[in-house]
Amino acid sequence: EDQVTQSPEALRLQEGESSSLNCSYTVSGLRGLFWYRQDPGKGPEFLFTLYSAGEEKEKERLKATLTKKESFLHITAPKPEDSATYLCAVRYYGNNRLAFGKGNQVVVIP
Amino acid sequence: GAGVSQSPSNKVTEKGKDVELRCDPISGHTALYWYRQSLGQGLEFLIYFQGNSAPDKSGLPSDRFSAERTGGSVSTLTIQRTQQEDSAVYLCASRLSGLAGGPGTDTQYFGPGTRLTVL
Repeated sequence: EDQVTQSPEALRLQEGESSSLNCSYTVSGLRGLFWYRQDPGKGPEFLFTLYSAGEEKEKERLKATLTKKESFLHITAPKPEDSATYLCAVRYYGNNRLAFGKGNQVVVIP
Repeated sequence: GAGVSQSPSNKVTEKGKDVELRCDPISGHTALYWYRQSLGQGLEFLIYFQGNSAPDKSGLPSDRFSAERTGGSVSTLTIQRTQQEDSAVYLCASRLSGLAGGPGTDTQYFGPGTRLTVL
């Protein structure tokens, strides 16, 4: 069974306090790992796709990295507008669907 | 360009009634997905359409749930005889599905969702 686990479930940060979110997944057959941002009452917004261990992607204050068994989303010097739930999803070979974790709820306090 | 759109944005219904939820994918996207997001749960896959192929219905939780996609574009998710446990946000996503592994063909783009409340 596909399993994607995100930690921590919830995180409160002071503005400017950098941190990392973790996403671990079932190891075999990874085709791609996806990060999305979801604001309350909205659909998930695509951030990054990672395909192979060692790959990194950056966008503004966010950087996503991938190892053979987990991914990290690093938030550098966060601002209040970075407050959101960050979703990790995995697509395995032979499967067209995405398997999602439950999300990391991030609150950045001014 | 326009993103994925869904309607209605909110739907309140009584237990036992049927509901229809609509999804308009991004133009040119041949792959379409429905997911369900319940409070405190991750997104749960429901059904997948790809072009003219038979849909992957393996995620539908019961035979009260069905979906169709007309003309390779708009999709409708129907829930018959709704139950309170069907209350959730229903999300639609589309994907540009070109040659296997081609750039941009893996990413699913989501609509804003339909919040369904069954009283």
